Amino acid sequence: ETGVTQTPRHLVMGMTNKKSLKCEQHLGHNAMYWYKQSAKKPLELMFVYNFKEQTENNSVPSRFSPECPNSSHLFLHLHTLQPEDSALYLCASSQNNGGAQDNEQFFGPGTRLTVL
Amino acid sequence: AQKITQTQPGMFVQEKEAVTLDCTYDTSDPSYGLFWYKQPSSGEMIFLIYQGSYDQQNATEGRYSLNFQKARKSANLVISASQLGDSAMYFCAMREVNTGNQFYFGTGTSLTVIP
Repeated sequence: ETGVTQTPRHLVMGMTNKKSLKCEQHLGHNAMYWYKQSAKKPLELMFVYNFKEQTENNSVPSRFSPECPNSSHLFLHLHTLQPEDSALYLCASSQNNGGAQDNEQFFGPGTRLTVL
Repeated sequence: AQKITQTQPGMFVQEKEAVTLDCTYDTSDPSYGLFWYKQPSSGEMIFLIYQGSYDQQNATEGRYSLNFQKARKSANLVISASQLGDSAMYFCAMREVNTGNQFYFGTGTSLTVIP
């Protein structure tokens, strides 16, 4: 596997279900991100992990719970979601060396989530 | 205030013609990076081109070039010789040095290349 992979690619869940999204990067990067992409809205940054430590949490509801066991893996645990949480969830990674001149973010293919 | 503004929700271009996708940004940080991404219908975000705030020359990558006008805070993407495979959503993004890891994205422009 190369780049950034995400599983599953599609997920349909009820509001009472518990599920997890998985992201894995094979690029040796030190930072990983979760984004939410809804129709006609900018990408919303949800969480940032730098060297496995969470450095950003942009007022995300507690029904979304991230986990970063190591610098290559990132999970997003979902529970008691709402229909408005239906969106494309994108994972990304980058190599952060302290400046904006750093490399770009590499994105995974996303998980298309539908909450019924 | 929006950090990144893309004012063109949809654009059409004839195959083999050039097209410019607009992007303006808002920052008081003197050090920042500007990025363009392409998102086909499959969903994956594909990096296209990068411009640093201190770069003296406009960035170019193959058929992509970035028209960087720092005083106007604009970073328009120019695609030359459009191809049918260029049909996709295009996102402009910015990263400020002082906010570290956070990227700001625009709402995107949907480009359709007409044969």
